Amino acid sequence: DAGVTQSPTHLIKTRGQQVTLRCSPKSGHDTVSWYQQALGQGPQFIFQYYEEEERQRGNFPDRFSGHQFPNYSSELNVNALLLGDSALYLCASRWGRGPEAFFGQGTRLTVV
Amino acid sequence: KQEVTQIPAALSVPEGENLVLNCSFTDSAIYNLQWFRQDPGKGLTSLLLIQSSQREQTSGRLNASLDKSSGRSTLYIAASQPGDSATYLCAVENNTDKLIFGTGTRLQVFP
Repeated sequence: DAGVTQSPTHLIKTRGQQVTLRCSPKSGHDTVSWYQQALGQGPQFIFQYYEEEERQRGNFPDRFSGHQFPNYSSELNVNALLLGDSALYLCASRWGRGPEAFFGQGTRLTVV
Repeated sequence: KQEVTQIPAALSVPEGENLVLNCSFTDSAIYNLQWFRQDPGKGLTSLLLIQSSQREQTSGRLNASLDKSSGRSTLYIAASQPGDSATYLCAVENNTDKLIFGTGTRLQVFP
C-alpha cells in the first residue's frame, strides 16, 4: 500500500502565476481533504472532496479551487499566487466518514 | 468556534525520560481526536486516534488519553529516544469531517 502520495514535492512559482498540486489517496479511500500549513503553524483546512463534489470548505478565497476525479485522486489549484501562499500543502484521505485521516508528505510551495 | 492549544510549544529532554505533551480544546463536542508526528518539512504521520467514546489509546511507548468534559488530551511518551525528536500535533474533529489542529509541540531528545 503506497499510502497517500502527493506531487510535486517542491515547487517555486512567481507571484501572479497559477499552480496545480496533485494527490492520490490511500488505497480504498474515497474522501480527500486539502490543508495549508504555514511555517511554525498547524495545518489549516482548505476543502474536502467526496464523490467528485466539494463537500465543505474552509476560510480560503476563491483563488483556491479543486477537483476530484472518478479514481478519487484530487487536484488543488491556486490562481493569482501571492507571497503569502508560500506554505506546505498537505493532502489527507479517509474512507467515507471514517474516523482516521492519513496524510501525504506534502508539497512545499514557494512563491517569489 | 473550536480552538486547539498545545503546551508546551517546545521541549528539550535527555534520552530516557518519560514525558507528557498536552492538548486542550474549547468545544467538548468532538467526534474524535488524533495525534500526529511531523518531521521537519515532511507530512504528518498518524500516531493515535481516540474516538469520542474512548478514554485512551496505546501504541508501543505511546499512550494518549482523552477527557472530553474538561477539553483535554495528553500524549505520554515513555523512555524517550533521540528518534522521537519531531513536532507533535494534536487535532480534533467535530461533526464536520475537518480536522482542527493545534500549533504543535516541538520535541528534541538529546543523547
